[in-house]
Amino acid sequence: GAGVSQSPSNKVTEKGKDVELRCDPISGHTALYWYRQSLGQGLEFLIYFQGNSAPDKSGLPSDRFSAERTGGSVSTLTIQRTQQEDSAVYLCASSLVTAVGETQYFGPGTRLLVL
Amino acid sequence: GNSVTQMEGPVTLSEEAFLTINCTYTATGYPSLFWYVQYPGEGLQLLLKATKADDKGSNKGFEATYRKETTSFHLEKGSVQVSDSAVYFCALSEGTGRRALTFGSGTRLQVQP
Repeated sequence: GAGVSQSPSNKVTEKGKDVELRCDPISGHTALYWYRQSLGQGLEFLIYFQGNSAPDKSGLPSDRFSAERTGGSVSTLTIQRTQQEDSAVYLCASSLVTAVGETQYFGPGTRLLVL
Repeated sequence: GNSVTQMEGPVTLSEEAFLTINCTYTATGYPSLFWYVQYPGEGLQLLLKATKADDKGSNKGFEATYRKETTSFHLEKGSVQVSDSAVYFCALSEGTGRRALTFGSGTRLQVQP
C-alpha cells in the first residue's frame, strides 16, 4: 500500500513569509508525528497527534509553529513569519497505534529553505 | 530527560568487513529501542527494533541486542556491502507516556569496494 506522503518536497521562501507543509499518513494510522532534521540539531520531535488531538506539542520551538489534523488523516504544519533558522527538512511519520514499541513510518520529508 | 548517544562518524569500511555502531541511552522507565537507516536520497526506514531487555532485533543481516544492564543497543553486521552505505540512527521511545522518538545524532557508514 501507499506510504506516508508529504508535500511539497521542496520549498524555498523568503524570511517573514508563512509556509504550510502537508502530510498524508498511511491509511488507518491513528498516530501522526512531525519531526525536524537540521544540521545543527539532528532529528527533533515537534508534535504528535492521536486522532485529531495533539496530546504532545512540547517540541514546537516557538508560537510561530502550529499544526492541525483533520478527519484523523491529513495534517498541516504551519510556520508563520519564517526565519532563516527554520531551514531544515520537516519529516512526518505515522503509526497504527501508540502502543509500546509501535513502528513509526516516515515520509520523504519537505526540505524548507528560508532565504 | 531521554537521550541517545551514538558513535561519531563517518565510519569507513571495506566490503565484507565487520561493522559495529555503538549506541547507549538514558531513559526513564523501560523504553523501546530502534535502529533507523537513511539511504542516500531516501527517507528514514526502520531497520530493526527491540521492545524489552535481552530482545535481539535483526533484519538484512544486521543485529542489535537490548542490554538493560549497560543501557546499550549496539548495531552489528558480520559482512557489510557497498549497498549498506547510509546514515544509521539509534532511537528510543518511552515505555509509558510520550511516544515520540528520541534520536541519536546519526552515524554515516561508507563501505568501499
